[in-house]
Amino acid sequence: SYELTQPPSVSVSPGQTARITCSGDALPKQYAYWYQQKPGQAPVLVIYKDSERPSGIPERFSGSSSGTTVTLTISGVQAEDEADYYCQSADSSGTHQVFGGGTKLTVL
Amino acid sequence: QVQLVQSGAEVKKPGASVKVSCKASGYTFTSYDINWVRQATGQGLEWMGWMNPNSGNTGYAQKFQGRVTMTRNTSISTAYMELSSLRSEDTAVYYCARAPLGSPDYWGQGTLVTVSS
Repeated sequence: SYELTQPPSVSVSPGQTARITCSGDALPKQYAYWYQQKPGQAPVLVIYKDSERPSGIPERFSGSSSGTTVTLTISGVQAEDEADYYCQSADSSGTHQVFGGGTKLTVL
Repeated sequence: QVQLVQSGAEVKKPGASVKVSCKASGYTFTSYDINWVRQATGQGLEWMGWMNPNSGNTGYAQKFQGRVTMTRNTSISTAYMELSSLRSEDTAVYYCARAPLGSPDYWGQGTLVTVSS
Protein backbone atom coordinates (compact mmCIF):
# COMPACT_ATOMS: atom_id res chain seq x y z
CA SER A 1 0.00 0.00 0.00
CA TYR A 2 1.02 3.59 -0.59
CA GLU A 3 3.05 5.37 2.10
CA LEU A 4 4.12 8.91 2.89
CA THR A 5 7.33 9.26 4.89
CA GLN A 6 7.97 12.05 7.39
CA PRO A 7 10.75 12.52 9.97
CA PRO A 8 9.48 11.63 13.45
CA SER A 9 10.73 14.85 14.99
CA VAL A 10 12.10 18.30 14.22
CA SER A 11 13.44 20.75 16.77
CA VAL A 12 14.07 24.47 16.33
CA SER A 13 14.63 27.53 18.48
CA PRO A 14 12.08 30.36 18.52
CA GLY A 15 12.49 32.68 15.57
CA GLN A 16 14.27 30.06 13.47
CA THR A 17 12.90 28.28 10.40
CA ALA A 18 11.47 24.78 10.65
CA ARG A 19 11.26 22.55 7.60
CA ILE A 20 9.28 19.31 7.65
CA THR A 21 9.53 16.99 4.67
CA CYS A 22 7.17 14.37 3.32
CA SER A 23 8.15 11.85 0.64
CA GLY A 24 5.98 9.67 -1.55
CA ASP A 25 6.13 8.24 -5.03
CA ALA A 26 2.82 9.73 -6.15
CA LEU A 27 3.52 13.26 -4.96
CA PRO A 28 4.50 14.48 -8.45
CA LYS A 29 0.95 13.61 -9.52
CA GLN A 30 -1.11 14.31 -6.42
CA TYR A 31 -1.47 17.41 -4.30
CA ALA A 32 -0.24 17.39 -0.72
CA TYR A 33 -2.02 18.79 2.30
CA TRP A 34 -0.58 19.65 5.72
CA TYR A 35 -2.32 19.52 9.09
CA GLN A 36 -1.34 20.84 12.48
CA GLN A 37 -2.56 18.94 15.53
CA LYS A 38 -2.14 20.06 19.12
CA PRO A 39 -2.76 17.70 22.05
CA GLY A 40 -6.41 16.88 22.59
CA GLN A 41 -7.52 18.81 19.51
CA ALA A 42 -8.71 17.96 16.03
CA PRO A 43 -6.29 18.55 13.16
CA VAL A 44 -6.26 21.96 11.47
CA LEU A 45 -5.49 22.43 7.77
CA VAL A 46 -2.50 24.73 7.34
CA ILE A 47 -1.53 24.11 3.67
CA TYR A 48 -3.58 22.71 0.78
CA LYS A 49 -2.75 21.87 -2.81
CA ASP A 50 1.00 21.81 -2.02
CA SER A 51 1.42 25.51 -1.32
CA GLU A 52 -1.91 27.26 -0.75
CA ARG A 53 -2.63 28.72 2.66
CA PRO A 54 -6.21 28.73 4.03
CA SER A 55 -7.59 31.98 5.35
CA GLY A 56 -6.68 32.54 8.95
CA ILE A 57 -3.40 30.63 8.77
CA PRO A 58 -0.39 32.86 9.50
CA GLU A 59 1.86 33.80 6.60
CA ARG A 60 4.82 32.12 8.30
CA PHE A 61 3.40 28.79 7.12
CA SER A 62 4.30 27.89 3.55
CA GLY A 63 4.50 24.77 1.41
CA SER A 64 6.54 23.67 -1.57
CA SER A 65 6.95 20.67 -3.80
CA SER A 66 9.88 19.16 -5.67
CA GLY A 67 9.59 15.78 -7.31
CA THR A 68 8.63 13.12 -4.80
CA THR A 69 9.07 15.40 -1.79
CA VAL A 70 6.90 18.13 -0.37
CA THR A 71 8.02 20.48 2.38
CA LEU A 72 6.20 22.46 5.04
CA THR A 73 8.19 25.51 6.09
CA ILE A 74 7.45 27.54 9.19
CA SER A 75 9.42 30.79 9.20
CA GLY A 76 10.02 32.62 12.47
CA VAL A 77 8.76 29.72 14.56
CA GLN A 78 6.79 30.67 17.65
CA ALA A 79 6.17 28.66 20.80
CA GLU A 80 2.54 28.20 19.78
CA ASP A 81 3.67 26.30 16.67
CA GLU A 82 4.78 23.35 18.79
CA ALA A 83 2.52 20.53 17.59
CA ASP A 84 2.34 17.39 15.50
CA TYR A 85 2.28 17.96 11.75
CA TYR A 86 0.89 15.49 9.22
CA CYS A 87 1.15 15.46 5.46
CA GLN A 88 -1.67 13.88 3.47
CA SER A 89 -2.13 12.97 -0.16
CA ALA A 90 -3.72 10.42 -2.48
CA ASP A 91 -2.28 7.33 -4.09
CA SER A 92 -1.47 7.40 -7.81
CA SER A 93 -5.02 6.41 -8.76
CA GLY A 94 -6.46 9.23 -6.66
CA THR A 95 -9.00 6.94 -5.04
CA HIS A 96 -7.39 6.40 -1.66
CA GLN A 97 -6.01 8.96 0.73
CA VAL A 98 -3.08 8.40 3.06
CA PHE A 99 -1.44 10.30 5.91
CA GLY A 100 2.22 10.48 6.71
CA GLY A 101 3.30 9.18 10.09
CA GLY A 102 3.48 12.67 11.56
CA THR A 103 6.30 14.92 12.73
CA LYS A 104 6.53 16.31 16.23
CA LEU A 105 7.78 19.88 16.10
CA THR A 106 9.51 20.93 19.29
CA VAL A 107 10.25 24.61 19.93
CA LEU A 108 13.30 24.68 22.15
CA GLN B 1 -19.40 29.00 9.51
CA VAL B 2 -18.68 25.39 8.63
CA GLN B 3 -19.27 23.04 11.57
CA LEU B 4 -19.18 19.28 11.91
CA VAL B 5 -20.60 18.06 15.21
CA GLN B 6 -20.09 14.43 16.12
CA SER B 7 -21.91 12.15 18.51
CA GLY B 8 -20.62 11.40 21.97
CA ALA B 9 -18.17 8.87 23.31
CA GLU B 10 -19.00 5.18 23.11
CA VAL B 11 -17.91 2.10 25.05
CA LYS B 12 -18.37 -1.20 23.26
CA LYS B 13 -17.54 -4.84 23.90
CA PRO B 14 -15.38 -6.83 21.50
CA GLY B 15 -17.43 -8.15 18.60
CA ALA B 16 -20.01 -5.38 18.79
CA SER B 17 -20.63 -2.56 16.31
CA VAL B 18 -20.52 1.20 16.74
CA LYS B 19 -22.20 3.92 14.70
CA VAL B 20 -20.83 7.46 14.88
CA SER B 21 -22.77 10.42 13.52
CA CYS B 22 -21.50 13.70 12.07
CA LYS B 23 -23.94 16.58 11.62
CA ALA B 24 -22.89 19.24 9.14
CA SER B 25 -23.91 22.89 9.12
CA GLY B 26 -22.80 26.13 7.51
CA TYR B 27 -22.54 24.73 3.97
CA THR B 28 -24.47 22.61 1.49
CA PHE B 29 -24.05 19.08 2.85
CA THR B 30 -24.43 17.37 -0.53
CA SER B 31 -21.73 19.48 -2.22
CA TYR B 32 -18.66 17.99 -0.51
CA ASP B 33 -17.39 14.52 0.27
CA ILE B 34 -17.05 13.39 3.87
CA ASN B 35 -13.91 11.55 4.99
CA TRP B 36 -13.57 9.45 8.13
CA VAL B 37 -10.21 9.34 9.90
CA ARG B 38 -9.23 7.68 13.15
CA GLN B 39 -6.42 8.12 15.65
CA ALA B 40 -5.43 5.67 18.35
CA THR B 41 -3.99 7.17 21.53
CA GLY B 42 -0.48 8.43 20.89
CA GLN B 43 -0.58 7.33 17.27
CA GLY B 44 -0.93 9.03 13.90
CA LEU B 45 -3.92 9.74 11.69
CA GLU B 46 -5.39 6.84 9.73
CA TRP B 47 -7.70 7.40 6.75
CA MET B 48 -10.70 5.06 6.73
CA GLY B 49 -12.67 6.09 3.68
CA TRP B 50 -14.89 8.62 1.93
CA MET B 51 -18.54 9.12 1.11
CA ASN B 52 -20.24 11.38 -1.40
CA PRO B 53 -23.36 12.67 0.38
CA ASN B 54 -25.09 13.48 -2.89
CA SER B 55 -24.82 10.06 -4.53
CA GLY B 56 -24.11 7.92 -1.49
CA ASN B 57 -21.05 6.50 -3.26
CA THR B 58 -18.30 5.31 -0.95
CA GLY B 59 -14.69 4.20 -1.01
CA TYR B 60 -13.01 2.42 1.86
CA ALA B 61 -9.40 1.81 2.80
CA GLN B 62 -8.52 -1.81 2.19
CA LYS B 63 -7.85 -2.35 5.89
CA PHE B 64 -11.50 -1.64 6.72
CA GLN B 65 -13.20 -3.30 3.74
CA GLY B 66 -16.01 -5.55 4.94
CA ARG B 67 -16.15 -3.96 8.41
CA VAL B 68 -16.98 -0.31 7.74
CA THR B 69 -20.12 1.24 6.28
CA MET B 70 -20.53 4.95 5.57
CA THR B 71 -24.01 6.32 5.03
CA ARG B 72 -25.89 9.59 5.20
CA ASN B 73 -29.26 11.21 5.78
CA THR B 74 -29.43 14.27 3.56
CA SER B 75 -32.65 15.52 5.16
CA ILE B 76 -30.76 16.23 8.36
CA SER B 77 -27.29 16.85 6.84
CA THR B 78 -25.78 14.00 8.80
CA ALA B 79 -23.16 11.42 7.88
CA TYR B 80 -22.65 8.12 9.67
CA MET B 81 -19.78 5.69 10.04
CA GLU B 82 -20.49 2.20 11.33
CA LEU B 83 -17.66 -0.15 12.25
CA SER B 84 -18.46 -3.78 13.05
CA SER B 85 -16.68 -6.73 14.66
CA LEU B 86 -14.91 -4.37 17.02
CA ARG B 87 -11.66 -5.40 18.66
CA SER B 88 -9.44 -3.71 21.19
CA GLU B 89 -7.24 -2.29 18.43
CA ASP B 90 -10.23 -0.23 17.23
CA THR B 91 -10.07 1.89 20.38
CA ALA B 92 -9.45 5.36 18.97
CA VAL B 93 -10.80 8.83 18.36
CA TYR B 94 -12.85 8.85 15.16
CA TYR B 95 -13.10 12.05 13.13
CA CYS B 96 -15.32 13.08 10.27
CA ALA B 97 -14.04 15.77 7.94
CA ARG B 98 -15.35 17.68 4.96
CA ALA B 99 -13.26 16.92 1.88
CA PRO B 100 -13.79 19.34 -1.02
CA LEU B 101 -11.04 17.90 -3.22
CA GLY B 102 -10.76 14.48 -1.64
CA SER B 103 -8.68 15.80 1.23
CA PRO B 104 -10.08 17.15 4.51
CA ASP B 105 -10.45 20.83 5.27
CA TYR B 106 -12.88 21.17 8.21
CA TRP B 107 -12.92 18.49 10.90
CA GLY B 108 -15.39 17.36 13.54
CA GLN B 109 -14.39 17.42 17.19
CA GLY B 110 -13.81 13.67 17.30
CA THR B 111 -15.60 10.77 18.98
CA LEU B 112 -13.78 8.45 21.36
CA VAL B 113 -14.69 4.81 20.86
CA THR B 114 -13.42 2.46 23.54
CA VAL B 115 -13.53 -1.29 22.96
CA SER B 116 -13.22 -3.21 26.20
CA SER B 117 -14.62 -6.33 27.75
